[in-house]
Amino acid sequence: QQQVKQSPQSLIVQKGGISIINCAYENTAFDYFPWYQQFPGKGPALLIAIRPDVSEKKEGRFTISFNKSAKQFSLHIMDSQPGDSATYFCAFHTGNQFYFGTGTSLTVIP
Amino acid sequence: NAGVTQTPKFQVLKTGQSMTLQCAQDMNHEYMSWYRQDPGMGLRLIHYSVGAGITDQGEVPNGYNVSRSTTEDFPLRLLSAAPSQTSVYFCASSYAGGNTEAFFGQGTRLTVV
Repeated sequence: QQQVKQSPQSLIVQKGGISIINCAYENTAFDYFPWYQQFPGKGPALLIAIRPDVSEKKEGRFTISFNKSAKQFSLHIMDSQPGDSATYFCAFHTGNQFYFGTGTSLTVIP
Repeated sequence: NAGVTQTPKFQVLKTGQSMTLQCAQDMNHEYMSWYRQDPGMGLRLIHYSVGAGITDQGEVPNGYNVSRSTTEDFPLRLLSAAPSQTSVYFCASSYAGGNTEAFFGQGTRLTVV
């Protein structure tokens, strides 16, 4: 059973545009929501993370928005660049375990 | 610092063979875990450990064993490989509790024929 539903599966954005990836979750007993970025042939690396007592967090061009009542959180990438082309995973942590979304393949066209 | 080191990077096994995927970290992290990554499935937790001598099952533990005799090492054993275990395997580590940044290795691409 997929505990985290991530969409879209793939996304193509023009350079300078905004990339938006959404995740919906089922479990409410969470304590940490990270987003990971993965380049081909590499392991995932932490991009940005948020805790449930915060509704938004911004780091440079990357912003996480968290809607607790709707059980959704999203990643916004402003001014998207070709170097942002990668696969993005949302995740949440509960009970010593991480549950990951299915991933979004982002392609930023120059 | 090396971070999280996985070996081997690639492996081909025949059905029924056994093997051990190695994982070592040099960050003195208490929490270590193993994931498999399959197309369209994201990363799924196989087993995890909150410290030396303590292991527990994740979402997809069947067919895999782990042990944690030291803080640094967390090997994953495939007892009798099956084609369904063809996947990319990632080891990760983080500070105690697990609800902090997880550092991933480079992955092991395993093919079972």
